[in-house]
Amino acid sequence: AQSVTQLDSHVSVSEGTPVLLRCNYSSSYSPSLFWYVQHPNKGLQLLLKYTSAATLVKGINGFEAEFKKSETSFHLTKPSAHMSDAAEYFCVVSNTGGFKTIFGAGTRLFVKA
Amino acid sequence: KAGVTQTPRYLIKTRGQQVTLSCSPISGHRSVSWYQQTPGQGLQFLFEYFSETQRNKGNFPGRFSGRQFSNSRSEMNVSTLELGDSALYLCASSHSGLTGFFGPGTRLTVL
Repeated sequence: AQSVTQLDSHVSVSEGTPVLLRCNYSSSYSPSLFWYVQHPNKGLQLLLKYTSAATLVKGINGFEAEFKKSETSFHLTKPSAHMSDAAEYFCVVSNTGGFKTIFGAGTRLFVKA
Repeated sequence: KAGVTQTPRYLIKTRGQQVTLSCSPISGHRSVSWYQQTPGQGLQFLFEYFSETQRNKGNFPGRFSGRQFSNSRSEMNVSTLELGDSALYLCASSHSGLTGFFGPGTRLTVL
C-alpha cells in the first residue's frame, strides 16, 4: 500500500527566507517521488523527481529535495523564497510495480513581501 | 517540443449528459494518465493507458472510461454526468508511466 502525507496545509514565509515543505510517504515498493507546483488556474508543473538515483535531488527554480529512507521523508526546500513561488505544492508517490500514483493533499505556500 | 495539450479547456454540461475530453501527449510518450482535481477531494487518479491498454485504474465508478489510440492520444468519457463531476480534469504523459508532464487541464462544470 502507498500513501503520502503533506504535513502542512499552509506555509507562510517572508521573501528571501528559506522554504521547507514537508512530505512523508509510505510504500510497499521502492518508490518514485515527485514534487509538483500548481499556480492559480494553471496546470501542474514538475519541480523535481527521485527515482532511486542520488538522494539529494535538484529541481527547477532553485528547489531541491532529499530522499531519506530511514525517515520515509521527501521534504522540499529552497534557500530563499521569491514572490513568484507562491503557489500550491504537491508531493507525489508512484511505484513502477503497479503504476499507482498518489498525490498528497497539497501545501499552499504564501510569500510575504 | 510541444507540451501536453488538452481539449477543450472549458466545458459546461448539464446533469445526465455525457462528455468526452481529449489529451495529446508529448511526442514519443506512450503513457497517458488522467486525474480529477476538486477542492474537496484533491487530486485523484482516474486511470493510466500505455500503448492503447489500460494498465491501472483508480476508484471511480464505471461512468468514467477512457481509451488510447495508436498515436498515443487519449480520450476520457464521463456518462450520465452528476453535479459532483464538476472538476478540473488533468492528463499527464510520460515515457514509462511514472507521473510526468501535465497538460493545462479541462475545467468541466456540470449544471
